[in-house]
Amino acid sequence: EADIYQTPRYLVIGTGKKITLECSQTMGHDKMYWYQQDPGMELHLIHYSYGVNSTEKGDLSSESTVSRIRTEHFPLTLESARPSHTSQYLCASSGPLSSYNSPLHFGNGTRLTVT
Amino acid sequence: KNEVEQSPQNLTAQEGEFITINCSYSVGISALHWLQQHPGGGIVSLFMLSSGKKKHGRLIATINIQEKHSSLHITASHPRDSAVYICATSDWGGSEKLVFGKGTKLTVNP
Repeated sequence: EADIYQTPRYLVIGTGKKITLECSQTMGHDKMYWYQQDPGMELHLIHYSYGVNSTEKGDLSSESTVSRIRTEHFPLTLESARPSHTSQYLCASSGPLSSYNSPLHFGNGTRLTVT
Repeated sequence: KNEVEQSPQNLTAQEGEFITINCSYSVGISALHWLQQHPGGGIVSLFMLSSGKKKHGRLIATINIQEKHSSLHITASHPRDSAVYICATSDWGGSEKLVFGKGTKLTVNP
């Protein structure tokens, strides 16, 4: 039973469109993350958040933006989608801010295809 | 920056076999994670460990801090264990700075 939800599961969209990938968790976790994963490749962190109104860029440069207005919600937005954005996007969350290391909980991912 | 290497890249086994997947890293870490990714793409956290050994069902994870090495063992493997197993390390900045290995694709045949 998933405690972290991503929608949509699959998305095919044309170049230039604005898209928002949704991620919500019901565990009350402070820390949330967005990872990008190309087929057969490793995950790369693109954004993370320590809590409400906190967002940081990850190690992989991304043209996407994120917001954290509510603890449970961490949407990712692409203002103008391009074919180079085609990838899988995985949302994850982990524990309270006071916890130095805690297990990650992942959503099922969004497979984005930009035509 | 930490470098995480997994071996083997691909592994095929017969049902019932004992499986070992290895992970090596280059610099000191605060924790190491083992993750399982199924063909549909979803990822499940199997273990997070910073020392010693952890066991959950048929899965065992060990870590040797001095040698910068961890192993994931699967006893009595089953076709449902077929997945990609990913090793990831946390540096001393916390879990948001995970460095991931490329994964080991395991196929268990009946």
